[in-house]
Amino acid sequence: DAGVTQSPTHLIKTRGQQVTLRCSPKSGHDTVSWYQQALGQGPQFIFQYYEEEERQRGNFPDRFSGHQFPNYSSELNVNALLLGDSALYLCASSAKGQDYGYTFGSGTRLTVV
Amino acid sequence: QKEVEQDPGPLSVPEGAIVSLNCTYSNSAFQYFMWYRQYSRKGPELLMYTYSSGNKEDGRFTAQVDKSSKYISLFIRDSQPSDSATYLCAMQRGGRGAQKLVFGQGTRLTINP
Repeated sequence: DAGVTQSPTHLIKTRGQQVTLRCSPKSGHDTVSWYQQALGQGPQFIFQYYEEEERQRGNFPDRFSGHQFPNYSSELNVNALLLGDSALYLCASSAKGQDYGYTFGSGTRLTVV
Repeated sequence: QKEVEQDPGPLSVPEGAIVSLNCTYSNSAFQYFMWYRQYSRKGPELLMYTYSSGNKEDGRFTAQVDKSSKYISLFIRDSQPSDSATYLCAMQRGGRGAQKLVFGQGTRLTINP
């Protein structure tokens, strides 16, 4: 049973560019959340998607946007990249009615130069 | 002030030692308390969870929650080199639907053979 799959694993972008990260949730899961983990820090919540709509959002600017598709997979888009956006971006999935213990993917390491 | 505080370490102990990891928090609304383990270049993996106050034991791991003190702990008995990882505490409000996780900074633990 495949867990949460994220692509790409690594990415290098130039300041000002735009990036799209992808996530396929664990089989049977329908809710996807995205987290940003800076080096040496804990993950920080970006937003959550359920039924193709953004349900919750953390303290991130509008440059961060997302999408969820009918098959529950999700994309995270970041526009006008800043050096400070360099981080590990984690996707977590959960099932409807699951209150805790989300399953995380291995993340996408984004480096902005 | 951060909602969740965790000493980042690093913490280095000999194999077989008892390890104590701790977090404090400020938000009384937190109902679910979790410990995640994160190996290098991997996503967080759920290790233990506790609902509300109390203790929970799973093999060599024991999680404790003291809501009156807003303090949670993870104890690792008979520590092994394979336990070397970053340990993240995470907390979550109660309520319907998947709530966002609020993480501590993570404690980097090394078990020396």
